[in-house]
Amino acid sequence: AQSVTQLGSHVSVSEGALVLLRCNYSSSVPPYLFWYVQYPNQGLQLLLKYTSAATLVKGINGFEAEFKKSETSFHLTKPSAHMRDAAEYFCAVSFSGTSYGKLTFGQGTILTVHP
Amino acid sequence: DTGVSQDPRHKITKRGQNVTFRCDPISEHNRLYWYRQTLGQGPEFLTYFQNEAQLEKSRLLSDRFSAERPKGSFSTLEIQRTEQGDSAMYLCASSLGPGLAGGGVHEQYFGPGTRLTVT
Repeated sequence: AQSVTQLGSHVSVSEGALVLLRCNYSSSVPPYLFWYVQYPNQGLQLLLKYTSAATLVKGINGFEAEFKKSETSFHLTKPSAHMRDAAEYFCAVSFSGTSYGKLTFGQGTILTVHP
Repeated sequence: DTGVSQDPRHKITKRGQNVTFRCDPISEHNRLYWYRQTLGQGPEFLTYFQNEAQLEKSRLLSDRFSAERPKGSFSTLEIQRTEQGDSAMYLCASSLGPGLAGGGVHEQYFGPGTRLTVT
């Protein structure tokens, strides 16, 4: 069975600092990987997705993530944090196939950005 | 607005009452998913439809829960005899299905959710 682990339930950075949110997955078949962001009392917004086309994936709002098969990781980064990046971030995994496509989410990481 | 919509946004009900939520997906999407999210947790899969067919249900979906998508468009999620443990955010998402527009797994677009509070 597939699973996702997000290391660190809370991450705090200063405005302008590097953002690094960690995600490791467990899968016996090639995964599709996603990062979503959730602002308070809202649904989830897709930041980026990995579908095997390229290991470095660029998303919206300046975020990117790198798929590393040897480390089973898909960490999310942003070179310079902005106050508006404060939110909860979820890593998710999915697979292709007739009954697949459903997402398995990590526990989430709350990002706090200090001025 | 052509995104996923959900109604109501908030629902407060007393234990034992029945509740029904509605989800309207993006019109060209044939897959529709329901997830449940409790405080401090990531969303958990409940069930999904391809067109009007319900293809998979999580073991989280007890007999008190039922979902329908009668014409392959909007979907409803009903909870009968609500319990306090049902209090959560119920999220709906839609996507294209695998095999369409190039195949593979397509990203899911989420609605704003329905927050259920059972008192």
